[in-house]
Amino acid sequence: DAKTTQPTSMDCAEGRAANLPCNHSTISGNEYVYWYRQIHSQGPQYIIHGLKNNETNEMASLIITEDRKSSTLILPHATLRDTAVYYCIVRTVSGTYKYIFGTGTRLKVLA
Amino acid sequence: NAGVTQTPKFRILKIGQSMTLQCTQDMNHNYMYWYRQDPGMGLKLIYYSVGAGITDKGEVPNGYNVSRSTTEDFPLRLELAAPSQTSVYFCASSYPDEQFFGPGTRLTVL
Repeated sequence: DAKTTQPTSMDCAEGRAANLPCNHSTISGNEYVYWYRQIHSQGPQYIIHGLKNNETNEMASLIITEDRKSSTLILPHATLRDTAVYYCIVRTVSGTYKYIFGTGTRLKVLA
Repeated sequence: NAGVTQTPKFRILKIGQSMTLQCTQDMNHNYMYWYRQDPGMGLKLIYYSVGAGITDKGEVPNGYNVSRSTTEDFPLRLELAAPSQTSVYFCASSYPDEQFFGPGTRLTVL
């Protein structure tokens, strides 16, 4: 399974864009990149996923580099409620849809 | 829809005791998962299931057992509880991509 590397923590000013990087240099051609977040001690929440094209939904945008070795999650206008741990995950392709979570990035949005 | 529900929310066990963590989903999802999360760490996959009657081991299956007799239920059994099993346990289901997580069970083994 492809591994991911994320910074341990980041700060972002409220109202500004939060850009969370993820490195997945060993990703295979048919593996997807998923992002989840975990607010306080709740269960993780799905944010977005993509294969090779950039993706956008109501929560965030996902930018995947052309070589697919890294990606960036963008929260366009961060609010205090976006303070959470953000996990970048590469999904296995064995048909089991297992996710391997790393330790994630702890994002703190500052007032 | 209630989504994914887990019981109990909290539990304290003595070393050597056994218990079953319950997980139920009402979304008719085929895929279900059990994770554990130790303090300050990410989630570790314990077991998963791709449908009723089919289960498989994840990253950290030792000390746990699962069964999947129905689509809705995926109980996790702890036999001979040990302090190393003190953790927060999350159940999730998916169809198959986006995973929906339950609120978690906080287990302490003393």
